[in-house]
Amino acid sequence: ETGVTQSPTHLIKTRGQQVTLRCSSQSGHNTVSWYQQALGQGPQFIFQYYREEENGRGNFPPRFSGLQFPNYSSELNVNALELDDSALYLCASSLANDEQYFGPGTRLTVT
Amino acid sequence: AQSVTQLDSQVPVFEEAPVELRCNYSSSVSVYLFWYVQYPNQGLQLLLKYLSGSTLVKGINGFEAEFNKSQTSFHLRKPSVHISDTAEYFCAVRDRLDDKIIFGKGTRLHILP
Repeated sequence: ETGVTQSPTHLIKTRGQQVTLRCSSQSGHNTVSWYQQALGQGPQFIFQYYREEENGRGNFPPRFSGLQFPNYSSELNVNALELDDSALYLCASSLANDEQYFGPGTRLTVT
Repeated sequence: AQSVTQLDSQVPVFEEAPVELRCNYSSSVSVYLFWYVQYPNQGLQLLLKYLSGSTLVKGINGFEAEFNKSQTSFHLRKPSVHISDTAEYFCAVRDRLDDKIIFGKGTRLHILP
């Protein structure tokens, strides 16, 4: 059974640029949740996708958007990057409301 | 709205000593409770969870937690820590009718030799 994978591992972007982060869910899982973990903080919920539809959203601006594909993998897109977007981005997959399994994260640095 | 408070940002403890990491939550509805561990440069791993039933929950790596509804607490304990327990520990809550998990700010467990 393949676990949750994320790519890239880390990347550096400039303020104002756009970034796409990717997540492959665990086999058999149809739900992907995205979290932002700033340095020294706990993860904060960004949004969740269930069967290709957004299924809940946290307190993040519209420049944070996402997609889920038919194979249940997912992308997180962030437009107009700001310095405060620097963080570890975690995705977690699950089967509907069951336990969420986390990937290793993508560390984004915005300069 | 739900919230989670982890009362200690750092906890130093000697190897083989017991440890308790404190967690309090607030919620107006019934919740599920979780403890996750994050090792350096890694994602989150579930240690244990409370869904219903017995208030004493046993997890992996010798950890356990007790759900106390009257005190809205879910403290994590281990009778004897090992150097490999050095990590960040996060308490989390999830509304039974919702999918998003609300995390505390974390407690860094520092094992002293």
